[in-house]
Amino acid sequence: AQSVTQLDSHVSVSEGTPVLLRCNYSSSYSPSLFWYVQHPNKGLQLLLKYTSAATLVKGINGFEAEFKKSETSFHLTKPSAHMSDAAEYFCVVREDTNAGKSTFGDGTTLTVKP
Amino acid sequence: ETGVTQTPRHLVMGMTNKKSLKCEQHLGHNAMYWYKQSAKKPLELMFVYSLEERVENNSVPSRFSPECPNSSHLFLHLHTLQPEDSALYLCASSQVLGGRYNEQFFGPGTRLTVL
Repeated sequence: AQSVTQLDSHVSVSEGTPVLLRCNYSSSYSPSLFWYVQHPNKGLQLLLKYTSAATLVKGINGFEAEFKKSETSFHLTKPSAHMSDAAEYFCVVREDTNAGKSTFGDGTTLTVKP
Repeated sequence: ETGVTQTPRHLVMGMTNKKSLKCEQHLGHNAMYWYKQSAKKPLELMFVYSLEERVENNSVPSRFSPECPNSSHLFLHLHTLQPEDSALYLCASSQVLGGRYNEQFFGPGTRLTVL
């Protein structure tokens, strides 16, 4: 069985300050992990993915995430927030043995203040 | 068109209507998905098709009927819906290689309102 917990439903930062969105997962197998972003009235866009290669994963728009097996975490970070980063972010875990079934977190809404 | 497209983008229907949502992927993928996204709820997987065969059906009511005529097209046929079915319906696609499902690419969604 697999599950994912996004520890914060809302995060608010000032423009130019660092962003940290937290995600913990559980999985019976070596999982693949993803972060997606969803802007209002849009579909989900893939930010980055971890699939058992390098544990520090770089994505689009300056985001990166680090896979920490000992902590079962996959937190998303960005050194400097931009106003356009305001959106909802989803952490996703997937076990390849389960017909591609992905489990989505509840989402974290990121607000960026000017 | 590139990526995953969905039509219509917005749909308002009565409870006795019959309508269909359409999804088309231009990525050469061989798996397609329907998700339901309701306010204040996690994303819910509804159906998965791999190589045009339904491999996942997540206890979805029979008033939702999927159809996958080929690997590029996916439909969701709707009939006698309820107001609680109002939501954003998202389509996604991915590549399946050797039984391994790669990351999903999403369409923009259809915003459905049931009156």
